[in-house]
Amino acid sequence: GQNIDQPTEMTATEGAIVQINCTYQTSGFNGLFWYQQHAGEAPTFLSYNVLDGLEEKGRFSSFLSRSKGYSYLLLKELQMKDSASYLCAVTDSNYQLIWGAGTKLIIKP
Amino acid sequence: DVKVTQSSRYLVKRTGEKVFLECVQDMDHENMFWYRQDPGLGLRLIYFSYDVKMKEKGDIPEGYSVSREKKERFSLILESASTNQTSMYLCASARGTGDTDTQYFGPGTRLTVL
Repeated sequence: GQNIDQPTEMTATEGAIVQINCTYQTSGFNGLFWYQQHAGEAPTFLSYNVLDGLEEKGRFSSFLSRSKGYSYLLLKELQMKDSASYLCAVTDSNYQLIWGAGTKLIIKP
Repeated sequence: DVKVTQSSRYLVKRTGEKVFLECVQDMDHENMFWYRQDPGLGLRLIYFSYDVKMKEKGDIPEGYSVSREKKERFSLILESASTNQTSMYLCASARGTGDTDTQYFGPGTRLTVL
């Protein structure tokens, strides 16, 4: 079956750095997305990786290793507004998006 | 900016009622999707559409139907609502289904079936 694993919840301190991991087992791979979802709101696009390596976008970076079926989202200089759920999703061989259950990130002052 | 709107943010219905959830996008996207989101589970695809009048079943289509009469509008229908359909429903649209096509989401409809 197809599976995406992420930690259910993480806690970090304002101003610090946090890494959210995502491992996947899918039938084929055509890219990996990270979305941010604040409580009660819709998911919003953060990043897309299709090649191995690190993609940096401001305070957020996303890494992919296709051989390991692994990605992480790195958030630097954490702010209170970064408290949200972070969803990992993989496009499989049929170009269907498979979603992880999301990681709830709690930022403490 | 892409804008996806949904007809209601909150909806309360009774068991057995017919429920319509509407979604409209303003970016001329080909593809539209309906998901439900429940605590502890990932987004689960109910139906999607890649063209007007076309529809495809997702992972959990049972108990739902859809309609796409116009490109910008995609409706989700619960023919006879049941309590296990209480959930957050999210609509999304995308330019295509290629590997780089980002999905843009509406604000969601939180449906409670009593």
